[in-house]
Amino acid sequence: GAGVSQTPSNKVTEKGKYVELRCDPISGHTALYWYRQSLGQGPEFLIYFQGTGAADDSGLPNDRFFAVRPEGSVSTLKIQRTERGDSAVYLCASSPQDAGETQYFGPGTRLLVL
Amino acid sequence: GDSVTQMEGPVTLSEEAFLTINCTYTATGYPSLFWYVQYPGEGLQLLLKATKADDKGSNKGFEATYRKETTSFHLEKGSVQVSDSAVYFCALRGSQGNLIFGKGTKLSVKP
Repeated sequence: GAGVSQTPSNKVTEKGKYVELRCDPISGHTALYWYRQSLGQGPEFLIYFQGTGAADDSGLPNDRFFAVRPEGSVSTLKIQRTERGDSAVYLCASSPQDAGETQYFGPGTRLLVL
Repeated sequence: GDSVTQMEGPVTLSEEAFLTINCTYTATGYPSLFWYVQYPGEGLQLLLKATKADDKGSNKGFEATYRKETTSFHLEKGSVQVSDSAVYFCALRGSQGNLIFGKGTKLSVKP
């Protein structure tokens, strides 16, 4: 079946601009996670949704970052006033439930802020 | 807070060599432990996992044993292949279900 998909695969923007990154989880998966992977590092947790609600957003670095999942399926990560330090690969993962289930990762969106 | 430390790479081996990638963790309690692999140009894939102490996870010839005494989850394979060339990430599940990853170890296997 279809895996987790993310669009766009690459995004180049200028400092100060607004960007939206989209994640389509595996159908039926209620848990959705966003991670950020900087070059040479492991993924770092940003936010976790259980259904439509953000169960844990403790990983968001500051208030420029925001994510939504209005219908409990597709999620959008929004970054305002982008900075060069936001350049990274943004990964989305989903799992059938929350704790105890394997997370399935999408291919990621590579964001470059010039 | 919870954290994962894994050996730094890159690791370069000849085909059929024995592989060990060390991973240790710091956590409250006994979290589930994972190894994920990222092949060139592909997304992260679960390689294996262990959910409790003394469990052994295995897949594709790779193994790792959950050792609570040494807080370790070392990855091993008896005979690596060129196709095993990838970046390997050790991870633990945090209290909210999120994964906490190590920095990754790049493995290159030469024919």
